[in-house]
Amino acid sequence: NAGVTQTPKFQVLKTGQSMTLQCAQDMNHNSMYWYRQDPGMGLRLIYYSASEGTTDKGEVPNGYNVSRLNKREFSLRLESAAPSQTSVYFCASSLLASSYNEQFFGPGTRLTVL
Amino acid sequence: SQQGEEDPQALSIQEGENATMNCSYKTSINNLQWYRQNSGRGLVHLILIRSNEREKHSGRLRVTLDTSKKSSSLLITASRAADTASYFCASGDTDKLIFGTGTRLQVFP
Repeated sequence: NAGVTQTPKFQVLKTGQSMTLQCAQDMNHNSMYWYRQDPGMGLRLIYYSASEGTTDKGEVPNGYNVSRLNKREFSLRLESAAPSQTSVYFCASSLLASSYNEQFFGPGTRLTVL
Repeated sequence: SQQGEEDPQALSIQEGENATMNCSYKTSINNLQWYRQNSGRGLVHLILIRSNEREKHSGRLRVTLDTSKKSSSLLITASRAADTASYFCASGDTDKLIFGTGTRLQVFP
């Protein structure tokens, strides 16, 4: 079991460029999440998908879009990157969209926007 | 922001000592979880305490929860160099978690 995988590991973009961060899990989990982590800010939820076919906004959704491609995959898209989106992005999954379920995290994508 | 706060922000101790970190949260919760993050890695779940529990143990970890004060603490006993990491609390809302800002723990051999 690979758990939660993310690609790419590192990315540098110029302001205005677009890109998609990929996430996949092989644990047959129903729920998937995208977070960003900034120094001194902990993790903040961008979007989540409680189940295949559904997506909901988290605390900081502006500037992002998501697609739950199937049960395994959940992608995060930046349509027009801005320097404020420089961060480390983590994907996570859980069996159910319940706060009683532990979340399993991927290794992260470190994104720099110049 | 709904984020919780953790205290201290950073903690340095010697191997064998105990480490205590505290978490305060803002809203009513179903449960509270603690996670560990090694440098450059994703978070790993450590322990969950439900809102009707006051204390929970797992190996060298002891977690307390005081819902009247909206606070929790994580105690790591007999710390090891391998415990060096950042520790985050996450308060459980209905279908998602709200993470705190984290405590960076450094354990010196």
